[in-house]
Amino acid sequence: DTGVSQDPRHKITKRGQNVTFRCDPISEHNRLYWYRQTLGQGPEFLTYFQNEAQLEKSRLLSDRFSAERPKGSFSTLEIQRTEQGDSAMYLCASSSTTGLTQETQYFGPGTRLLVL
Amino acid sequence: RKEVEQDPGPFNVPEGATVAFNCTYSNSASQSFFWYRQDCRKEPKLLMSVYSSGNEDGRFTAQLNRASQYISLLIRDSKLSDSATYLCVVISSGSARQLTFGSGTQLTVLP
Repeated sequence: DTGVSQDPRHKITKRGQNVTFRCDPISEHNRLYWYRQTLGQGPEFLTYFQNEAQLEKSRLLSDRFSAERPKGSFSTLEIQRTEQGDSAMYLCASSSTTGLTQETQYFGPGTRLLVL
Repeated sequence: RKEVEQDPGPFNVPEGATVAFNCTYSNSASQSFFWYRQDCRKEPKLLMSVYSSGNEDGRFTAQLNRASQYISLLIRDSKLSDSATYLCVVISSGSARQLTFGSGTQLTVLP
């Protein structure tokens, strides 16, 4: 499968714990996005990388959240000191700036986080 | 006010019906427009892009009215497999090209 993959698919944690999610984009894609989706809402943009550079962060991304894409391939999203309000589906998407499917974002299956 | 607003739904229609979804966006600088489909507990998937001239893909027709900042999706001869949440999506100007989603409209096609 050459699509976007995310790991883990589900995570249950206790309030106050740190969690880290991983996203592997489609291999030739240079752009990678993180979104968060809560029940009954559409996904909301969190942050964006072009290659290894984090170029934009939403105001939704509090200082407890940090994202990295160290080699311009996979990315991690870490949430420190989790709160119950962090419970959501965390979606990763990737896109390319070249080619016929330029800028079409392809989503991974998401990581569903539940903070108890 | 949300940047992208959609019909609240849900829509429950019989197989074979025609159903239309509407969406408005508030940022007049928005550049690109899409409809995504999301099945229950799955990721969003691109259904179709929306162009000013209108575009059709089989049973699906999308329209864009830039003057009214309005986007629509028409599904003809609906199938059971069309049951899903339909998300109206906009890309505003800017380098990030991030997607801004509406809340989605849930469609259930009944046998």
